[in-house]
Amino acid sequence: QSVLTQPPSVSGAPGQRVTISCTGSSSNIGADYDVHWYQQLPGAAPTLLIYLNNNRPSGVPDRFSGSKSGTSASLAITGLQAEDEADYYCQSYDSSLSGAVFGGGTKLTVL
Amino acid sequence: QVQLVQSGAEVKRPGASVKVSCEASGYTFISNTVHWVRQAPGQRLEWMGGINAGNGDTKYSQKFQGRVTITRDTSASTAYMELSSLRSEDTAVYYCVRDIFSSWYHMDVWGKGTTVTVSS
Repeated sequence: QSVLTQPPSVSGAPGQRVTISCTGSSSNIGADYDVHWYQQLPGAAPTLLIYLNNNRPSGVPDRFSGSKSGTSASLAITGLQAEDEADYYCQSYDSSLSGAVFGGGTKLTVL
Repeated sequence: QVQLVQSGAEVKRPGASVKVSCEASGYTFISNTVHWVRQAPGQRLEWMGGINAGNGDTKYSQKFQGRVTITRDTSASTAYMELSSLRSEDTAVYYCVRDIFSSWYHMDVWGKGTTVTVSS
């Protein structure tokens, strides 16, 4: 059971917009710790997608955006493309556990 | 560019130990923390711990405390993760990950992973 809760799966048609939620608590996101998002393509290592809540590393398309409010964070993907099909993980820090924590991951399917 | 090159796949017997290395290049090794994250087959990512490569301070996940040891060799720009008392549930891909800072959770660049298989 993950400290950060994500939906197991989301789907959308090409060109559509999808959002992936990441729900935490007062000991992690709600304690104002930053949230990061990673994309993991099939058979590959994860790569950084969004850092410090809403920043994109160079090379990441502006179709990807992140936000944070209260005890939750969200990843939005607009203009869905087939190449976006992957697993997405949110990550933060938990003061009760004194360590980094990941969400359970969300599998994005492009219909 | 920043690169983390990990050692090759390992097959171990239950009860044994495994030590995985992670050689960093493209940045000043002692300026950042290096984390270790594992992923069992079909499972989520799991943070194991990290080391401040500058001062050697370590932090471990409560789940692995007592069984994992993370070290570094600054002269070789290399971090190591040793996991002892291996069991079948430790079969996973082990990743080293650089921190953006010298923090305990701002991860950015990932190694390609090292597959560890625990089997009798």
